[in-house]
Amino acid sequence: EAQVTQNPRYLITVTGKKLTVTCSQNMNHEYMSWYRQDPGLGLRQIYYSMNVEVTDKGDVPEGYKVSRKEKRNFPLILESPSPNQTSLYFCASSLGTGPASGNTIYFGEGSWLTVV
Amino acid sequence: GENVEQHPSTLSVQEGDSAVIKCTYSDSASNYFPWYKQELGKGPQLIIDIRSNVGEKKDQRIAVTLNKTAKHFSLHITETQPEDSAVYFCAASPSGAGSYQLTFGKGTKLSVIP
Repeated sequence: EAQVTQNPRYLITVTGKKLTVTCSQNMNHEYMSWYRQDPGLGLRQIYYSMNVEVTDKGDVPEGYKVSRKEKRNFPLILESPSPNQTSLYFCASSLGTGPASGNTIYFGEGSWLTVV
Repeated sequence: GENVEQHPSTLSVQEGDSAVIKCTYSDSASNYFPWYKQELGKGPQLIIDIRSNVGEKKDQRIAVTLNKTAKHFSLHITETQPEDSAVYFCAASPSGAGSYQLTFGKGTKLSVIP
């Protein structure tokens, strides 16, 4: 089954404790991306990757890091989480260059992150 | 960058009635406009999309219209059913080299009352 898998799905952590949210896709997609969803703000892009070792900032990259060492994986790293990073996070993937080429973007189920 | 405005933020309709959600965008270079449906506890799922060379697209009870001159596009759901209740997001993406971002509207919570 084609899917985007995120882990963990739910996490409560403390301010400053580094954490990583993993994302894996089994569709051989070149394009991957991370979004955060906040009430009243919709989905905002954090980082995206066009292919292995190629990443770029989205609209809200501050406080986040990403890496793309393998095509199927695109982890989101919070080096020093703060309460304003409490949010619902979605990983997504797509063929080719993603939205630029009009390819469908597939989303994972989401990861609820609470930073206290 | 692109800015997408979506209205209304909430919408309640009686089962069987039609629902319309409207979006406007700012970047005239945008040429790909998908609509996503997000059910409770799940990730967004694509339900229909339209490209700038098409004015209207229909898929069963769902249709999307695009007016490039006015820079707005709309989602139309006819004969609504309770399972249509969800949050709907519009999005826009410019084309061309370096255009890898998809900008979303803030969402519309649709409630279909049986």
